[in-house]
Amino acid sequence: DGGITQSPKYLFRKEGQNVTLSCEQNLNHDAMYWYRQDPGQGLRLIYYSQIVNDFQKGDIAEGYSVSREKKESFPLTVTSAQKNPTAFYLCASSARDHNSPLHFGNGTRLTVT
Amino acid sequence: AQSVTQLGSHVSVSEGALVLLRCNYSSSVPPYLFWYVQYPNQGLQLLLKYTSAATLVKGINGFEAEFKKSETSFHLTKPSAHMSDAAEYFCAVSEGSSGSARQLTFGSGTQLTVLP
Repeated sequence: DGGITQSPKYLFRKEGQNVTLSCEQNLNHDAMYWYRQDPGQGLRLIYYSQIVNDFQKGDIAEGYSVSREKKESFPLTVTSAQKNPTAFYLCASSARDHNSPLHFGNGTRLTVT
Repeated sequence: AQSVTQLGSHVSVSEGALVLLRCNYSSSVPPYLFWYVQYPNQGLQLLLKYTSAATLVKGINGFEAEFKKSETSFHLTKPSAHMSDAAEYFCAVSEGSSGSARQLTFGSGTQLTVLP
């Protein structure tokens, strides 16, 4: 079955540590996205990538970094510079057409203490 | 710039009653509109999408939505609520011409509770 795999499901880190969230897709989609979800705030775009080796900042990119070395993979690193990293992180992918829906992974819940 | 407003962060209905979740959008070009559903600790699943082919769009699980350009609305409805419909629902708008960077903007979500 085609889909998006995010791992791990739950992640715990100490403040000051960088952490990388994995996202892999086998849908052959060109575009991939990272969203952050906080209660009552909907989804906010962190980074997106339309093609391999290219990515753009979203609305809340500060404190995050990404890479897109392969079409299937779009890992997100939450750095120690992110002031409030505890959140639910969702990865998505889509075809590049503007009417194509996003397909989402099941998310990673990151807790930083 | 595009934006989405979902009126009512929490909606409660009785089982068997009509479900109505409101979504209004702002877009400088003809939009593409989507409704997604999210169950606890899961990703979002597509319910339905509007892409200008028809103003009344039917989706999965008995949901439908009607695009009303004059009201800039895309409200989600279901004639009879089921307990399994309890979830959070997100409206989203996408705009942009071919070749430009795609931007998808989400509303803040509506939590639907279904009462027995």
